Amino acid sequence: GEEVAQTPKHLVRGEGQKAKLYCAPIKGHSYVFWYQQVLKNEFKFLISFQNENVFDETGMPKERFSAKCLPNSPCSLEIQATKLEDSAVYFCASSQSGTAGIDYGYTFGSGTRLTVV
Amino acid sequence: KQEVTQIPAALSVPEGENLVLNCSFTDSAIYNLQWFRQDPGKGLTSLLLIQSSQREQTSGRLNASLDKSSGRSTLYIAASQPGDSATYLCAVRGAQKLVFGQGTRLTINP
Repeated sequence: GEEVAQTPKHLVRGEGQKAKLYCAPIKGHSYVFWYQQVLKNEFKFLISFQNENVFDETGMPKERFSAKCLPNSPCSLEIQATKLEDSAVYFCASSQSGTAGIDYGYTFGSGTRLTVV
Repeated sequence: KQEVTQIPAALSVPEGENLVLNCSFTDSAIYNLQWFRQDPGKGLTSLLLIQSSQREQTSGRLNASLDKSSGRSTLYIAASQPGDSATYLCAVRGAQKLVFGQGTRLTINP
């Protein structure tokens, strides 16, 4: 299908518990991105993949966050030992590889709302 | 480091008016610029994508312009309708990363 599928839509975790979010990119899209949206529309870049390889992970809090994109599986974002401040909506997006002179836009999923209590 | 700013932060206008949303960015080395719409509690819907080599894109009542040299883009909405009420986000793509502005929260009053 032509949509980025994110599951679950909502996730509630007690502080200190693990959270795992999933994203199925659009078939044929070789780039996957994770963003965190906190208050007031601020979108924070977390990590990007080119196929199964990490492309840019400069936004990841590495001590508790990890992500994977394995062949033939949905991509995943995992948070170990969640904190209250991790409460946010996590968006996944995918994009095609660009061709000469053309760079494709991003298609976003509908997000996973994580609430840490 | 790329920074994207959107002005105004919020806008409320009566139905039927034409309006302009502004976006500015600090680094002109971009691949493209994308305008999104976000409804409360929802995901992002792509409205328009402008390549770095283009000056504008149009879709229905929407027109987006891009001036890379001055680091500016505008989103023009013609004949606004209550259904246009949403938050509009501008995002620039450079080096495989999309950088977002803070958005403009638009309210169209019937």
